[in-house]
Amino acid sequence: DVKVTQSSRYLVKRTGEKVFLECVQDMDHENMFWYRQDPGLGLRLIYFSYDVKMKEKGDIPEGYSVSREKKERFSLILESASTNQTSMYLCASSSMGRTEAFFGQGTRLTVV
Amino acid sequence: TQLLEQSPQFLSIQEGENLTVYCNSSSVFSSLQWYRQEPGEGPVLLVTVVTGGEVKKLKRLTFQFGDARKDSSLHITAAQPGDTGLYLCAGEPIQGAQKLVFGQGTRLTINP
Repeated sequence: DVKVTQSSRYLVKRTGEKVFLECVQDMDHENMFWYRQDPGLGLRLIYFSYDVKMKEKGDIPEGYSVSREKKERFSLILESASTNQTSMYLCASSSMGRTEAFFGQGTRLTVV
Repeated sequence: TQLLEQSPQFLSIQEGENLTVYCNSSSVFSSLQWYRQEPGEGPVLLVTVVTGGEVKKLKRLTFQFGDARKDSSLHITAAQPGDTGLYLCAGEPIQGAQKLVFGQGTRLTINP
């Protein structure tokens, strides 16, 4: 069964902490994405990557960075967590030339 | 920025009723996808429509892509409690670089 796995379902972090969200996919997909989901706003793209060591800004990259050192792993980094980054974070992958996305189960992050 | 507007945002109906969810834009899309998301999980792809006017059926769910490829609808016949969830439409822009634009979602509740 193909899978996108996010390292944590729930996280609680303090303001100012550096936060790492990890995502691993086992489908050998080239494309990987990080979204945040907030009520009434749908999914908003933070960063995406088409290949190892490549990254592109999405619609809301401020306050975030990413790392893709291996094809199967895409990490989202909150450099200094703030309360307005409290949200559901979703990782997704898709194969090259395709947009149909496979999502992880999500990480609900609370910044206090 | 291309936008997708979904309506209604919330819908609560009785088991056995029919319903339609709409996804509209002023922009043309190469394709349009529908996802369903259950609480605590990531979205799961239901269908992709590619051709203007295309109709696809998935058991009691009927998906249609508008002739001009700017809008789509999801119709559910004889809704069941298992249909409860958040339904998201997502469009692939004509020059989208393999990225999706998501609507804000329709939260559907089917009451027994």
